Amino acid sequence: QVQLQQWGAGLLKPSETLSLTCAVYGGSFSDYYWSWIRQTPGKGLEWIGEINHSGSTYYSPSLRSRVTMSVDTSKNQFSLNLNSVTAADTALYLCARSRPERLFDSWGQGILVTVSS
Amino acid sequence: DIQMTQSPSTLTASVGDRVTITCRASQTITRWLAWYQQKPGKAPILVINKASTLESGVPSRFSGSGSGTEFTLTITTLQPDDFATYYCQQYKSFPWTFGQGTKVEI
Repeated sequence: QVQLQQWGAGLLKPSETLSLTCAVYGGSFSDYYWSWIRQTPGKGLEWIGEINHSGSTYYSPSLRSRVTMSVDTSKNQFSLNLNSVTAADTALYLCARSRPERLFDSWGQGILVTVSS
Repeated sequence: DIQMTQSPSTLTASVGDRVTITCRASQTITRWLAWYQQKPGKAPILVINKASTLESGVPSRFSGSGSGTEFTLTITTLQPDDFATYYCQQYKSFPWTFGQGTKVEI
């Protein structure tokens, strides 16, 4: 059974860079896409972007200018960088596995990231 | 982007009730729609894919229907474990988008 475990800084100042990593345990790493999704009370679930094992990425157009994702297949890990954060980026950040058809069938535990001066 | 709109935002029900949640897409997504269940402090769980296909292990009291732009999630005989927030998600076209959620509460 696949497990996703994520970590990263939970408190940032405006203009800093958000950096999170998600490790995948169990299951195939190459048969799926790996996404970051964030959740806020006001906007609900917002898909940020995805990466596959070969490093191909798709980013949400609304965040594309600030997002970078990377993958480390030797460790079955993938990472998210979101630069120039503002208070609007305060959210619960979740990593997730998606099937090729883009159904999210396994999720990390989530990290609450707060942006505050 | 395809906008997904759910109604109602909150639904108050009792154990044993039949409840229906609606999800509307801003453009046709044929049947590329999924439903997720989320409980407080937990990650979402995929419940239904392709509008009406139950995921393995999901009780048969859950059902989905619809196509095009209008979809429904129905729970017959609501159980205590079903009180949660439900989200729809379209996977017809990038970027993948979710509804704002429907909270099913007692």
